[in-house]
Amino acid sequence: QSALTQPASVSGSPGQSITISCTGTSSDVGGYNLVSWYQQLPGKAPKLIIYTGNKRPSGVSNRFSGSKSGNTASLTISGLQAEDEADYYCSSYTSTSALWLFGGGTKVTVL
Amino acid sequence: QITLKESGPTLVKPTQTLTLTCTFSGFSLSSSGMGVGWIRQPPGKALEWLAVVYWSDDERYSPSLKTRLTITKYTSKNQVVLTVTNMDPLDTATYYCAQFRGMTTIDYWGQGTLVTVSS
Repeated sequence: QSALTQPASVSGSPGQSITISCTGTSSDVGGYNLVSWYQQLPGKAPKLIIYTGNKRPSGVSNRFSGSKSGNTASLTISGLQAEDEADYYCSSYTSTSALWLFGGGTKVTVL
Repeated sequence: QITLKESGPTLVKPTQTLTLTCTFSGFSLSSSGMGVGWIRQPPGKALEWLAVVYWSDDERYSPSLKTRLTITKYTSKNQVVLTVTNMDPLDTATYYCAQFRGMTTIDYWGQGTLVTVSS
């Protein structure tokens, strides 16, 4: 089972909005509303920031939002801040034997 | 407060078996929908899901590693153990344990433990 496809890097200036895509198939991203997004700061463990497509855990900034169209899910970070510089990973349930899939990760750089 | 912590060797030799223990608090693996699993991350690379065990004793494994993995839960001790047989230098990675909420998401992660495979 191939990993979900994410762009290797995305960059933006402070205050701008950026969007990270996560492309799968109808067996995972497209078939279920079970995409999650994680933020991994340098040297730290991943942290859940979006689940079931567009929900935020308590304490996560509302500058993070999720959406989906077809087999592609997206994470948007609005009002980009220096503290948002990190790696971002998507994951999804899959109906194949793999059960859980991760994306290849996207490095966000704040210019 | 939910916490998870990984423990085990930091260095193993090729062909050896790796045994990692996840000790958690703040939730019970006997609660409906709850799961604890393992994810690894080679240095500078992406996350890779390995295995998960649910409250119902349902065990699931990554198809590519299934023959080498065993996950076991000790509910009363709040521990989950992962064994990986026939370790190879390509298995060098930070291994994370995490709380899984059914098939919905991975809620909480441990700090991770770096395991190096080298002779």
